[in-house]
Amino acid sequence: AQSVTQPDARVTVSEGASLQLRCKYSSSVTPYLFWYVQYPRQGLQLLLKYYSGDPVVQGVNGFEAEFSKSNSSFHLRKASVHWSDSAVYFCAVSPSNTGYQNFYFGKGTSLTVIP
Amino acid sequence: GALVYQYPRRTICKSGTSMRMECQAVGFQATSVAWYRQSPQKTFELIALSTVNSAIKYEQNFTQEKFPISHPNLSFSSMTVLNAYLEDRGLYLCGAKDRGEVFFGKGTRLTVV
Repeated sequence: AQSVTQPDARVTVSEGASLQLRCKYSSSVTPYLFWYVQYPRQGLQLLLKYYSGDPVVQGVNGFEAEFSKSNSSFHLRKASVHWSDSAVYFCAVSPSNTGYQNFYFGKGTSLTVIP
Repeated sequence: GALVYQYPRRTICKSGTSMRMECQAVGFQATSVAWYRQSPQKTFELIALSTVNSAIKYEQNFTQEKFPISHPNLSFSSMTVLNAYLEDRGLYLCGAKDRGEVFFGKGTRLTVV
């Protein structure tokens, strides 16, 4: 069984501040890990993904995430946020036993960046 | 490039009626298509995974009788919401996969009145 926990439903930060959005996962098989962003009334856009190798992966718009097998975590970070980063961020796992064809999403973290 | 189109983008249906939504893959072959629903204030729930030439696998709480899916070729899939009620409202997303990547459409937003 797969599950994703995003413990923070809402996060508010000031523009220019650093950001960390937390994600923990549980998977019975080796998963791929993803972060997606949803802007208001839009679908999903891929920020970054982790398959294997270097645990720190770089994504678009200055985002990065770090995989930790020991902690079953995949936290998202950004050094300096911009007001345009305000959106809902979803962490997701894709299990290997389905050929990485489908995703299980966390409940999302709504990020508000204050100018 | 690879794109996924979903249509309609928005739709309204009366309670108890049915609504069909479509997912078109452009620029790649969609060997599998997964359908998701995002209910208001909630995350994306996997409804079912459809792989060409294989049986469609529905997740718990979703059935073929309620959400029949067609995936006749490598570029197209459709799903119908039968007898839609208030709890079926939300954003329906399809994710289509080729050999390596999954591409998402922008979704079909269903309102039930």
